[in-house]
This record gives sequence, C-alpha cells and structure tokens, in this order.
Amino acid sequence: AQKVTQAQTEISVVEKEDVTLDCVYETRDTTYYLFWYKQPPSGELVFLIRRNSFDEQNEISGRYSWNFQKSTSSFNFTITASQVVDSAVYFCALSVWGGSQGNLIFGKGTKLSVKP
Amino acid sequence: NAGVTQTPKFRVLKTGQSMTLLCAQDMNHEYMYWYRQDPGMGLRLIHYSVGEGTTAKGEVPDGYNVSRLKKQNFLLGLESAAPSQTSVYFCASAREGSYNEQFFGPGTRLTVL
Repeated sequence: AQKVTQAQTEISVVEKEDVTLDCVYETRDTTYYLFWYKQPPSGELVFLIRRNSFDEQNEISGRYSWNFQKSTSSFNFTITASQVVDSAVYFCALSVWGGSQGNLIFGKGTKLSVKP
Repeated sequence: NAGVTQTPKFRVLKTGQSMTLLCAQDMNHEYMYWYRQDPGMGLRLIHYSVGEGTTAKGEVPDGYNVSRLKKQNFLLGLESAAPSQTSVYFCASAREGSYNEQFFGPGTRLTVL
C-alpha cells in the first residue's frame, strides 16, 4: 500500500525565516513520482514540482528547494526567506507507475503561516 | 485556455436531494479525476476516468456516481445527498500517464444539511 505522511500539521514562522516542510512516503514500487502542491487561502491547488524515483538530484527554484532522499523515503520542501504570500496549505503527493492510472495519494497537508 | 472548470462553485443541499457536479477541461486530457477534500484529511480520490466512456472507483466511491460521455467532461452525481458528503470537491485532469501533473479545477464547496 502507498502512503504519504506530513507530520507537521501547522507551522508558523516570521517573514524572512527559512522553513522546511517534511514529507515521508511509503511504497513498495520502484517507479513512482512525488509531487508538491500549494493551496493558498483562495482554495485552488497549484502544482509546484514533480520528481521521479530515479532522480535524486535536489532541485532549486528561486526561494524553493526540494530534497529527495530515497534512503529515508523523504521528499522535503524548503522555503528560504519566507514571505507572507507563502502562507498556504502545502500537500505532498505520491503517484505509482501503473497504479490507478495516475491517482495521486495525498498527505494531509501542512498549513504554513508566515507572519509579517 | 480556461483549463479545468467546475460548476457550480457553491451549493447547499438538503439530505436526500440529488445533484450533479460538472467538470470540464479544454486541454484534451485523457485522464480525469474527482477528489474530495475534508478538513485534516487531504484529498481523497472518489472516481476517475482514463478516457471517454470509461470510469473506475477510487478510494471513497460510495454514494457517488460518475459519467464521462464526452472526453472534455466528467460528471459527478450524488443521488441521495447525506451530511457526510459535505466537502469541497475538486476535479482534475491529466495527460495519459501516471507521471504527469494533474491540473485542478477551482473546487466546489458542497454543504448538505
């Protein structure tokens, strides 16, 4: 069975602080994909990143970076110099090759509040 | 391109009433999905479709039915609404392949009294 755990329910930081959102996944499949989505207060879901199980290179996009470690089954997301606009619920998700035709298995989300 | 649209945005039903949620996408995607989002639960898959005329059950299909008569549309029906179906419903679409990102609609907030 597949599972995604986001142990941090809520995080509150002050603007300009760095913050890391944790994601731990479980799957027995060797081919899988990991995603991060952002859900701002307006409610829509915004795609942030996709990573496949064969690519463990860390990725950086502006203030965002992702650390994928297969050894610990983790796919953590770091925001550097956080801003108020980063306040949102962030979801980590897993998709298994051949499983339910691309069904995303979501974690329960981490609510990030960035205070000015 | 409008992307993924959902109709309606909000709805209030009484227990036992029926309704249909419409999802439309203009990206020619093969795959479409219906999820529900409940507080503290993340998103859970209700039903999905891998092409016109096909549907399949997801994690929480009970109490819902779906149809995909046209490639661009995916309908979610509640035949007899129950308070437990109060939720935010998201539709998503994706190109064929489990490695592709899903594009989500804006959501429908449904309250069943």
